[in-house]
Amino acid sequence: GAVVSQHPSWVICKSGTSVKIECRSLDFQATTMFWYRQFPKQSLMLMATSNEGSKATYEQGVEKDKFLINHASLTLSTLTVTSAHPEDSSFYICSARDLWGFDDNGYTFGSGTRLTVV
Amino acid sequence: EDKVVQSPLSLVVHEGDTVTLNCSYEVTNFRSLLWYKQEKKAPTFLFMLTSSGIEKKSGRLSSILDKKELFSILNITATQTGDSAIYLCAVEAVRITGGGNKLTFGTGTQLKVEL
Repeated sequence: GAVVSQHPSWVICKSGTSVKIECRSLDFQATTMFWYRQFPKQSLMLMATSNEGSKATYEQGVEKDKFLINHASLTLSTLTVTSAHPEDSSFYICSARDLWGFDDNGYTFGSGTRLTVV
Repeated sequence: EDKVVQSPLSLVVHEGDTVTLNCSYEVTNFRSLLWYKQEKKAPTFLFMLTSSGIEKKSGRLSSILDKKELFSILNITATQTGDSAIYLCAVEAVRITGGGNKLTFGTGTQLKVEL
């Protein structure tokens, strides 16, 4: 089945630095990838939709300049948290859509990245 | 704004019990409803439902959708400790602007199965 690889699985960074998270579709091409944020004991909140070769679509309330998304190829999307602050600490999960995944409509999730900003 | 509500928020049962998890939704341009199980990391797919009244089954788990009343249920029979997890309901809808589809997740139900 479809596999999505997300790296790193966890990262600790200092306040003010930037962190890049990668999301790769390993055995399929993903024209669309999604980035979610999850706070403890809360659900997944969609941050943005990453579109290959074009600008990302951000959800209301998500700062575009803070969370930079790049989807340069059909198998890779990156999320960069710029000038990270402690309130950015969270669990970030990506999802890629396999257009041929008829059984589950193709939404496969990465294993997530735990970001801690100190 | 699309909205997905799950209930209960949490429950504790004993092994062998049957549980029913609920998901209600209000979305524009509904396409499908999906159930996921989340243990420590990424959600794993359970079911996708698009049509009313057709039960989907996988082992001890089953799910059904009611598009008239806008809700779905997930049943787990003969629960085991390995069923302990957060169960997430998500609704896929076609975006009104910007194109493509998006998933809106519910708050999840935290299930704990004790011996």
